[in-house]
Amino acid sequence: EAQVTQNPRYLITVTGKKLTVTCSQNMNHEYMSWYRQDPGLGLRQIYYSMNVEVTDKGDVPEGYKVSRKEKRNFPLILESPSPNQTSLYFCASSFWAASPDTQYFGPGTRLTVL
Amino acid sequence: AQTVTQSQPEMSVQEAETVTLSCTYDTSENNYYLFWYKQPPSRQMILVIRQEAYKQQNATENRFSVNFQKAAKSFSLKISDSQLGDTAMYFCAFSLRLSNDYKLSFGAGTTVTVRA
Repeated sequence: EAQVTQNPRYLITVTGKKLTVTCSQNMNHEYMSWYRQDPGLGLRQIYYSMNVEVTDKGDVPEGYKVSRKEKRNFPLILESPSPNQTSLYFCASSFWAASPDTQYFGPGTRLTVL
Repeated sequence: AQTVTQSQPEMSVQEAETVTLSCTYDTSENNYYLFWYKQPPSRQMILVIRQEAYKQQNATENRFSVNFQKAAKSFSLKISDSQLGDTAMYFCAFSLRLSNDYKLSFGAGTTVTVRA
């Protein structure tokens, strides 16, 4: 089954404790992206990657890191989480060259930073 | 920078009736894509409908249709014969595909509640 998976789905952590949210897709997509969803703000792009070893900042990259060492994986790293990073996070992927509009979204990760 | 505005935070509709969600956007580009995504309580993001800016014909997908007004930069979604399963948050989104870049921008969302 073609899908984007994220782990964990729920995470409660404390300020300053490094964490990683994994994202993996099995569709051989070049393009992958991370978004955060906050009430009244919709989804805002954090980072995106056009292909392996190519990453770029989105609208709200501060406090986040990403890497794209393999085509299928695009982990989101919070080196020192803070309470303002409490949010719902989505990973997405697409064949950007062929059909950039059809973004496949993961199920979301609910992160709470205390 | 592109912005997407959804001016209706919440809407309620009786089952089997029609509801229209508004969306406006701002861009100086001429070639772009517009989308409506649905987010049910499960939180999954589901593509409902898309529209290429160069196409004048409004997109339709079963009970979902759009009214694309390029000059006015307006992209509304009409849900006909509303069903209980249509209850969700709906996001309008805009994307540009440049030679070496691709960005998808979302509106704040409209929560739609379908009443039995």
